[in-house]
Amino acid sequence: QQQVKQSPQSLIVQKGGISIINCAYENTAFDYFPWYQQFPGKGPALLIAIRPDVSEKKEGRFTISFNKSAKQFSLHIMDSQPGDSATYFCAASSSGTYKYIFGTGTRLKVLA
Amino acid sequence: DGGITQSPKYLFRKEGQNVTLSCEQNLNHDAMYWYRQDPGQGLRLIYYSQIVNDFQKGDIAEGYSVSREKKESFPLTVTSAQKNPTAFYLCASSTTADTEAFFGQGTRLTVV
Repeated sequence: QQQVKQSPQSLIVQKGGISIINCAYENTAFDYFPWYQQFPGKGPALLIAIRPDVSEKKEGRFTISFNKSAKQFSLHIMDSQPGDSATYFCAASSSGTYKYIFGTGTRLKVLA
Repeated sequence: DGGITQSPKYLFRKEGQNVTLSCEQNLNHDAMYWYRQDPGQGLRLIYYSQIVNDFQKGDIAEGYSVSREKKESFPLTVTSAQKNPTAFYLCASSTTADTEAFFGQGTRLTVV
């Protein structure tokens, strides 16, 4: 119940295309859902996050879609660029706890 | 500048030796975390600390030890009991787990 399942494991997209990464969870107590971006040899950095009171959040080319009933959330990268090539992790956590549950990551490659 | 600093960036250890990885933050965060990342893998929680002088085991604590004597510092010791210590180690901090986690740049440990 503590797992967050992420797919796909890897993704190749043409420049200008849309990249979509999906995550699913079981624990209904989760109420914070961040996405992290990690470049090789670096630490992850927060990209965008959502709470379950909204179904979508957009920041620039990055959008989180959240489906509370299906217990799924996804990251959409519009107009994907070669500079977006990185590993993306979804995560989930609960208020009042001190544990983030991370997905296994998606390695994105955007072809020029 | 506020942030989280890990040192060293690269570390080599002989089999049978203990080694300590440093993590310092000046973000005034209560919670600190240690994660292990293996090639192509997600982030696995080793230990976390909610407050000074308190810490909890994560999912893969065997062969590791930590201390939290100061709010700013959360060093990780990789002991000789850790069977396969070669990995990328990431330290993070946050206010709570339903807010952004800030990661350091990581320490790559290699056993030679």
